[in-house]
Amino acid sequence: DIRMTQSPSSLSASVGDRVTITCRASQTFSNFLNWYQHKPGKAPKLLIYASSTLQSGVPSRFSGNGSGTDFTLTISSLQPEDFATYYCQQSFSTPRTFGQGTKLEIK
Amino acid sequence: EVQLVESGGGLVQPGGSLRLSCAASGFSFSHYNMNWVRQAPGKGLEWVSYISGSGDTIYYADSVKGRFTISRDNAKNSLYLQMSSLRDEDTAVYYCARGGGSGSCNYWGQGTLVTVSS
Repeated sequence: DIRMTQSPSSLSASVGDRVTITCRASQTFSNFLNWYQHKPGKAPKLLIYASSTLQSGVPSRFSGNGSGTDFTLTISSLQPEDFATYYCQQSFSTPRTFGQGTKLEIK
Repeated sequence: EVQLVESGGGLVQPGGSLRLSCAASGFSFSHYNMNWVRQAPGKGLEWVSYISGSGDTIYYADSVKGRFTISRDNAKNSLYLQMSSLRDEDTAVYYCARGGGSGSCNYWGQGTLVTVSS
């Protein structure tokens, strides 16, 4: 199984900050890497697929990058609605493992 | 508008069974792969199972293999998860999710809570 490790596990930031979350895979693959946003009591939301493709309707302040084993999600200017937990997921092989999550909190 | 609505969750004793359903609307259901993903209380997301649009290809997480069965009825636009030999650690909110680009899950339901407890 491919293990996905996110860092940091939690992060405090302010509105307007630029934030980067990292996801590292235990084995290499091309770009089968997806990012999700999850708020308590809500359905998870796909932000980025194929490492860097923005899902339709997602604001352009979200961007993704990476290939191989190292991937990043960047939020260029944090908005109040962005405080949530973020997960990476690999879809290269089954089981389609998620990272443990990064909780983004208001400073 | 794409809609996914899960149902069938509830309280069940260890060793018991439960069948979850996911009603899909707003898209051509048979053309899309589907997934079940769960979140245990205080934990992260865990992928559970996948089924192709035709139902010919199925995958499971090791944690549920041999106990859970995924299926679909394309005539009824419905996805199912038959869960048996349930354990305490199966307690979670279960989400159905539509397959998207690059194997992602691009639409999700609101989830249904399964509680396994005596």
